[in-house]
Amino acid sequence: AQKVTQAQTEISVVEKEDVTLDCVYETRDTTYYLFWYKQPPSGELVFLIRRNSFDEQNEISGRYSWNFQKSTSSFNFTITASQVVDSAVYFCALGRSNDYKLSFGAGTTVTVRA
Amino acid sequence: EAQVTQNPRYLITVTGKKLTVTCSQNMNHEYMSWYRQDPGLGLRQIYYSMNVEVTDKGDVPEGYKVSRKEKRNFPLILESPSPNQTSLYFCASSAGAWNYEQYFGPGTRLTVT
Repeated sequence: AQKVTQAQTEISVVEKEDVTLDCVYETRDTTYYLFWYKQPPSGELVFLIRRNSFDEQNEISGRYSWNFQKSTSSFNFTITASQVVDSAVYFCALGRSNDYKLSFGAGTTVTVRA
Repeated sequence: EAQVTQNPRYLITVTGKKLTVTCSQNMNHEYMSWYRQDPGLGLRQIYYSMNVEVTDKGDVPEGYKVSRKEKRNFPLILESPSPNQTSLYFCASSAGAWNYEQYFGPGTRLTVT
């Protein structure tokens, strides 16, 4: 069985602080995919990033960065210099390659205060 | 505009009254999926479909049915809804396997009394 754990339920920061969201996953598959999604207060789900299990390169996109470490089964997400618009629920997800099931973590609610 | 649409967006119904939530995509996507979102549980996959007439169970399929008669549509059917199916439902589609981005619909908030 596969599982995604986002241990942080809620994080509150002041604008311009950095915030790191933890994601730990469990799977027996050798090929799998990891995702991050953002759900702002308006409710829609916004795709942020996808990583396959063979690509351990870290990635940076503007103020967002991701750290994938297979050795610790983690795919952490950092928002640098947070802004109020970053306030949202963030979900980490794990996709299997052989049956196309997708498992989400419980989500982390990030509140950025002005 | 490329999009996934769901109808209705909000629904209040009573226990046992059959209902269907429609999902349609205009991107000619192969893969479609249904999820439910509950507080503290994140999103959980109900059913998914890799193509027309091909569907499979996700993690929480009990109490739900789906069909995929056309590529663009993937309705979610609750034959006899119960209060524990009160939830926020999302439909999603993507061009194929996980190398493609998954697009989500706006969500359907269902309340079963």
